[in-house]
Amino acid sequence: DIQMTQSPSSLSASVGDRVTITCQASHYISNYLNWYQQKPGKAPKLLIYDASNLQTGLPSRFSGSGSGTNFTFTISSLQPEDIGTYYCQQYDNLPPLFTFGPGTKVDIK
Amino acid sequence: QVQLVQSGAEVKKPGASVKVSCKASGYTFSDYSINWVRQAPGQGLEWMGWISTYNGKTYYAQKLQGRVTITTDTSTGTAYMELRSLRSDDTAVYYCARGDGLWDHWGQGTLVTVSS
Repeated sequence: DIQMTQSPSSLSASVGDRVTITCQASHYISNYLNWYQQKPGKAPKLLIYDASNLQTGLPSRFSGSGSGTNFTFTISSLQPEDIGTYYCQQYDNLPPLFTFGPGTKVDIK
Repeated sequence: QVQLVQSGAEVKKPGASVKVSCKASGYTFSDYSINWVRQAPGQGLEWMGWISTYNGKTYYAQKLQGRVTITTDTSTGTAYMELRSLRSDDTAVYYCARGDGLWDHWGQGTLVTVSS
């Protein structure tokens, strides 16, 4: 099974700061990597799919990069509404198999 | 607009079963697979299983094989997740989510509490 790790597990940053979260897969996963944001008491929300594609309608301060085993998620200028927990998720289609990273909790300093 | 609406909270005793529903609207049900994910209190997200709404084929997380069954009723556009032999560590919020590689719409979540 593929294992996903994320770092840091939590971070605190100021409004306007650049925030970077990394995600590492235990095996090669090409670009089959998504990023989700979850706010307390809410369902997760898709932000980035296939490592670097911004979901429709979302602000351009969110971005993703990487391929293979190492991936990065960036918020270019942290906003108060960005607080929450961010999860990376790897997927395989044959057969369908999904694994989430442990999450990174982001809050405002 | 696309919506996935889940059934309400459940309280079950250890050893019992629970069946959670997820009713889809706003799109053609058979065009997108459905996944089930759970989140224990204060914990991360755990994928449980996947169903093709086109042909009913299922895949389950190895950890839950034999205890979980995912089905659909295409006549009503509803997916179901049944979990049997409930234990206290099955207490969690259960979510359905639409999609294969990317999951672009999620249900609101259903809290299942397992307690004697």
